[in-house]
Amino acid sequence: SQQGEEDPQALSIQEGENATMNCSYKTSINNLQWYRQNSGRGLVHLILIRSNEREKHSGRLRVTLDTSKKSSSLLITASRAADTASYFCATVTGGGNKLTFGTGTQLKVEL
Amino acid sequence: EAGVAQSPRYKIIEKRQSVAFWCNPISGHATLYWYQQILGQGPKLLIQFQNNGVVDDSQLPKDRFSAERLKGVDSTLKIQPAKLEDSAVYLCASSPGPGTGIGYTFGSGTRLTVV
Repeated sequence: SQQGEEDPQALSIQEGENATMNCSYKTSINNLQWYRQNSGRGLVHLILIRSNEREKHSGRLRVTLDTSKKSSSLLITASRAADTASYFCATVTGGGNKLTFGTGTQLKVEL
Repeated sequence: EAGVAQSPRYKIIEKRQSVAFWCNPISGHATLYWYQQILGQGPKLLIQFQNNGVVDDSQLPKDRFSAERLKGVDSTLKIQPAKLEDSAVYLCASSPGPGTGIGYTFGSGTRLTVV
């Protein structure tokens, strides 16, 4: 079963604009991670935010976490055509650290 | 550091045949995962190993799927017999273990087509 629901399902923007993707989840988490997947390729880990953190930055990426609302957002600033990919949030839960993925957001950055 | 290795990259089989996938995780990573990703969907966890023990296999269709992790290193995932709905990409991932705060590393996957 999917833990996370992502919004929007698809997003198309112009190069240089910012892209924001949202993720909602259902149960308490240990941490939340965001991954990128280029067409036909494996998943690449982008950033991890722990349950006691509220915001984290990595280069052009900014992730926020609101555990009271069970939601997270990923902001990509100054997007590039190379950012075109599917983006997934994934939650880590339980003592066994189970990693469960959301449904994904397809981002297209046009020149 | 070497990544997670998976083979084969692609496999086409007829329904009711059997197939096996292989995964070699990053050296020293205690936790290994197998995911199934159907086109247009997020990856779905099939089975999670901690060393050579199973932590979670609640979503593994055990009537046809089996997996093992010998000596806590390499792992194989088998489907026997395959159905059309098993067509998907099978992803292997590994991580150092719980509480490390490190993201998981995924292999390139095996794309299975059942005809």
